[in-house]
Amino acid sequence: SQTIHQWPATLVQPVGSPLSLECTVEGTSNPNLYWYRQAAGRGLQLLFYSVGIGQISSEVPQNLSASRPQDRQFILSSKKLLLSDSGFYLCAHRDKPPYGYTFGSGTRLTVV
Amino acid sequence: SQQGEEDPQALSIQEGENATMNCSYKTSINNLQWYRQNSGRGLVHLILIRSNEREKHSGRLRVTLDTSKKSSSLLITASRAADTASYFCATPHSGGGADGLTFGKGTHLIIQP
Repeated sequence: SQTIHQWPATLVQPVGSPLSLECTVEGTSNPNLYWYRQAAGRGLQLLFYSVGIGQISSEVPQNLSASRPQDRQFILSSKKLLLSDSGFYLCAHRDKPPYGYTFGSGTRLTVV
Repeated sequence: SQQGEEDPQALSIQEGENATMNCSYKTSINNLQWYRQNSGRGLVHLILIRSNEREKHSGRLRVTLDTSKKSSSLLITASRAADTASYFCATPHSGGGADGLTFGKGTHLIIQP
């Protein structure tokens, strides 16, 4: 079965510090991978998606970047965090038909 | 722009009652999905309904889709305390959704014991 791992679960970082969040998927090959952010009390905003190694599509301009160095690894990064980067970050992959999405457990990022 | 919009934003009912949540969307779709999120957790896929389907059941869940009105509803029958969560509808960005889903802001459901 497919599983998705995301870490860390919580993170408190000072403004201006770098960020690296990692997501890995098991039990599938060549998955479509996604990073979402959820602000408090809000819906999810798609940040990046990737259909293959080295292929990254950005949905919104921001202070963040994503990379896919391996087939089942998706990394969300920032060189210098802003207060507005605080939120709940979720990694997801798209399942085989009928194409629901499986989400990781999320990372709660607080920038102070 | 927001594709899916759920209403109500919050719903509180007694255990055993039925809960109905609605979702409206703006553009043509080929499927619509519902997800549940427990507080501080990731989202769990509940059900996917295709554009050529009008109703779908899964356990205590019943989803309807009206493409002419661009709306969907999620009914949870015989609610339980464990159903307390936020519920989101989501539609593909395009086509089958390989480029991601657009989510509404969700309905926060509270089941009173």
